[in-house]
Amino acid sequence: DVKVTQSSRYLVKRTGEKVFLECVQDMDHENMFWYRQDPGLGLRLIYFSYDVKMKEKGDIPEGYSVSREKKERFSLILESASTNQTSMYLCASGFSRAGTDTQYFGPGTRLTVL
Amino acid sequence: GNSVTQMEGPVTLSEEAFLTINCTYTATGYPSLFWYVQYPGEGLQLLLKATKADDKGSNKGFEATYRKETTSFHLEKGSVQVSDSAVYFCALASGGSYIPTFGRGTSLIVHP
Repeated sequence: DVKVTQSSRYLVKRTGEKVFLECVQDMDHENMFWYRQDPGLGLRLIYFSYDVKMKEKGDIPEGYSVSREKKERFSLILESASTNQTSMYLCASGFSRAGTDTQYFGPGTRLTVL
Repeated sequence: GNSVTQMEGPVTLSEEAFLTINCTYTATGYPSLFWYVQYPGEGLQLLLKATKADDKGSNKGFEATYRKETTSFHLEKGSVQVSDSAVYFCALASGGSYIPTFGRGTSLIVHP
């Protein structure tokens, strides 16, 4: 079974702190994604990566950065956390080959910024 | 651009009732269509998918048929259980892009 793991299920940080959210997948997927999920807004794509060291902005990249130094690991960084970044963060991965476009999600990290 | 519209929730049903969650889409090309399910406190997981017109995806008693003429992919189940309580997301991927477009999700609550 594909496994996508996220470093924390729950995280509480203070305004202005630097926050790292880590995601690891074990299926050699090329593509990895970070979403945030908020009530009434569904899933919104923050960043995605289609290869090591490659990244593309999604719909809401402001206030976030990402790092992909190894194929299996994709990190989301909040340089200076703010209260409006309190949310559920979901990591996902998937293959690049046509017809295999299913996404596999981690369990999520619920981040609270005080 | 691509878009997915699904019915707003919550949908509240009694156990053994029939379920329909509507999903319509707009897309370029010939998209693949998906239903994902998110159980409380978990991430999303694929429930079923269909990759071409008239295909029927099915899993765990849920079904959805890819209707190109009505651009729809409605989710159905004949008899829901309390354990089906979750949020259901309709999604599509098209045009060679591996970034899916998600609907906003529909919460299903099933009472005993």
